[in-house]
Amino acid sequence: DAKTTQPPSMDCAEGRAANLPCNHSTISGNEYVYWYRQIHSQGPQYIIHGLKNNETNEMASLIITEDRKSSTLILPHATLRDTAVYYCIVARGSTLGRLYFGRGTQLTVWP
Amino acid sequence: DAMVIQNPRYQVTQFGKPVTLSCSQTLNHNVMYWYQQKSSQAPKLLFHYYDKDFNNEADTPDNFQSRRPNTSFCFLDIRSPGLGDAAMYLCATSRVPTGQEETQYFGPGTRLLVL
Repeated sequence: DAKTTQPPSMDCAEGRAANLPCNHSTISGNEYVYWYRQIHSQGPQYIIHGLKNNETNEMASLIITEDRKSSTLILPHATLRDTAVYYCIVARGSTLGRLYFGRGTQLTVWP
Repeated sequence: DAMVIQNPRYQVTQFGKPVTLSCSQTLNHNVMYWYQQKSSQAPKLLFHYYDKDFNNEADTPDNFQSRRPNTSFCFLDIRSPGLGDAAMYLCATSRVPTGQEETQYFGPGTRLLVL
């Protein structure tokens, strides 16, 4: 399995952009990068995913480097409700897909 | 709203007493997953069903079993819970297996306490 490395914690001021990095240097060509987040005592929530192009949706943007060895999740205007653990996951490209969660990054948004 | 439902949200059982956790979904998804999440740890995949096909993770203890009687329901059975099985148990679904550009939808979880 491709492994991911994330900083254990990050802080961000409310209203500012939160940039969460992830390293996945062993990613294979057919593996997607997924981001989920987990607010305290809730189930994880899907945010965004990508293969090699940058992606944007109503929640966030995902920037994947050209060599695909790292990515950055961007929350453009962080709010207090964005305080959560953010997981960067590389999903197996096999027919039986699984998500293997790493330790994630605890993002704390301050007022 | 279509969703993943887990009942109960909190479950207390006694050491060694079998317990069943339930998950239902209104998304009509083909795949259902069970994860275990211990305190301050990341979710860990236990097993999943792709339709009726059961796929166990290699390191899932035999103490954990699962049943999927139909598309909507999936159960997690813990045959003889130990103190180390106290955790949040998360159910998730996806239309097809993740890895084929498909996302998973998680339920709120059931927190299991073993006395």
